[in-house]
Amino acid sequence: DIQMTQSPSSLSASVGDRVTITCRASQGIRNDLGWYQQKPGKAPKRLISAASTLQSGVPPRFSGSGSGTEFTLTISSLQPEDFATYYCLQLNTYPRTFGQGTKVEIK
Amino acid sequence: EGQLLESGGGLVQPGGSLRLSCAASGFTFSREAMTWVRQAPGKGLDWVSVFRSTDNKTYYGDSVKGRFTISRDNSKNMVYLQMNSLTAEDTAIYYCAKGDYYMDVWGQGTMVTVSS
Repeated sequence: DIQMTQSPSSLSASVGDRVTITCRASQGIRNDLGWYQQKPGKAPKRLISAASTLQSGVPPRFSGSGSGTEFTLTISSLQPEDFATYYCLQLNTYPRTFGQGTKVEIK
Repeated sequence: EGQLLESGGGLVQPGGSLRLSCAASGFTFSREAMTWVRQAPGKGLDWVSVFRSTDNKTYYGDSVKGRFTISRDNSKNMVYLQMNSLTAEDTAIYYCAKGDYYMDVWGQGTMVTVSS
């Protein structure tokens, strides 16, 4: 199975900060990666697919990049509604596997 | 876009069984893969299973393989997850999601608690 290692596991940031989350795959997955946002008590919400394609309706301050084994999710200017937990998900092989999650908290 | 509504969760004893259901509406169900994802209390997301619509193939996560079975009824717009030989480690909120590569619609989840 492909292991997804996400870092950091948590971070504290202020409104307006630039935030970067990294996800590393244990083997190459081309660009078969999605990013999800989850707020407490809610179902996950897809932000990005195919490593860099923004889901319709997702603000452009979110962006994704990477290919192969290393991927990043960047929030260019953190907004109050962005405080949440973010997960990467590899979609290259079965079983699909999530990263451990990154909790973005208010500093 | 569609809606999904899970049901069937509850309290079950270790070693027991439970069947979860997910009712879909608002999209052409038969054309879509359907996925189950779970989340243990305070933990991260765990991919459980998918039923692909293109070839009717099913896949499972390592922790549930051989114990869980995904099925669907396209005439009823329903997807199911039969869970057998349950252990405390299966305690989680279970979400169904529309799609496989693009999981763009999620239900609100149903809670499964495995405890004596």
